[in-house]
Amino acid sequence: QVQLQESGPGLVKPSETLSLTCAVSGYSITSGYYWGWIRQPPGKGLEWIGSIYHSGTTYYNPSLKSRVTISVDTSKNQFSLKLSSVTAADAAVYYCARHVADHFDYWGQGTLVTVSS
Amino acid sequence: QSVLTQPPSVSAAPGQKVTISCSGSSSNIGNNHVSWYQQLPGTAPKLLVYDNNKRPSGIPDRFSGSKSGTSATLGITGLQPGDEADYYCGTWDSSLSAWVFGGGTKLTVL
Repeated sequence: QVQLQESGPGLVKPSETLSLTCAVSGYSITSGYYWGWIRQPPGKGLEWIGSIYHSGTTYYNPSLKSRVTISVDTSKNQFSLKLSSVTAADAAVYYCARHVADHFDYWGQGTLVTVSS
Repeated sequence: QSVLTQPPSVSAAPGQKVTISCSGSSSNIGNNHVSWYQQLPGTAPKLLVYDNNKRPSGIPDRFSGSKSGTSATLGITGLQPGDEADYYCGTWDSSLSAWVFGGGTKLTVL
C-alpha cells in the first residue's frame, strides 16, 4: 500500500524559506508517476503547487513558480518542497500526493505550516 | 477565485441523492479529464472519481462522475451521515499550464 508522510518545521518566519519533505513507502518513486505538492490555507480550498518526476523533471504552478523548488531523492524514496520568501499568505496545510496523469491518487496526511515571527 | 466553479454548499436527507456541479471552460474541463476528491473534516482529500467517471478500488458505486462539455458532475446516492464532507473537482488547465481545483462544496446530510 502506497503511503506518503510529510515532515518539516511547523513554524517559519516571514521572508524565510519553507522546507518540507515527503517520504514515500510501499512504492518506489523510480517506478514512475509524478509526485506533487498541494496546499490548503485554513478554511479555504486546495491549491496545486507543483509536481516532479523521478528523473527530476518538474512543473510548477505559474503563480508560485518564482518561489518554488521541488526536488527528488530517489535513494531515500522521498521528494521535497522549498518555498522562498514566505508571507502570512503561505500559511497552510501542505499535502504531498502521487500525481498519476490526470489525478492525485494517494495523499499524505498533511502538515500545518504557520508563518510568524 | 477558482477557474472551476462549484456551489458552496448542498444538502439532502439520508438515503436521498445529491449532485455537485463543477463548471469550467474549454481550457480545462472541456479538454481534460476531471477528478473528484472527498475531504472529511480534519483529514486529507481522498480520490473518489478519476478520468471523469472511473472509481478507484474501494470506492462504493454510490459515487459516480460524469462530464458534458465544460461541466462535470459528482453524484452521490443513498446518502449517509458519513458522507458529510467537502468535495472538490480538479483538472488540468491548458491555458494556465496549471492543475486547478474547484472552490469546494460542503455537503450536509440533514
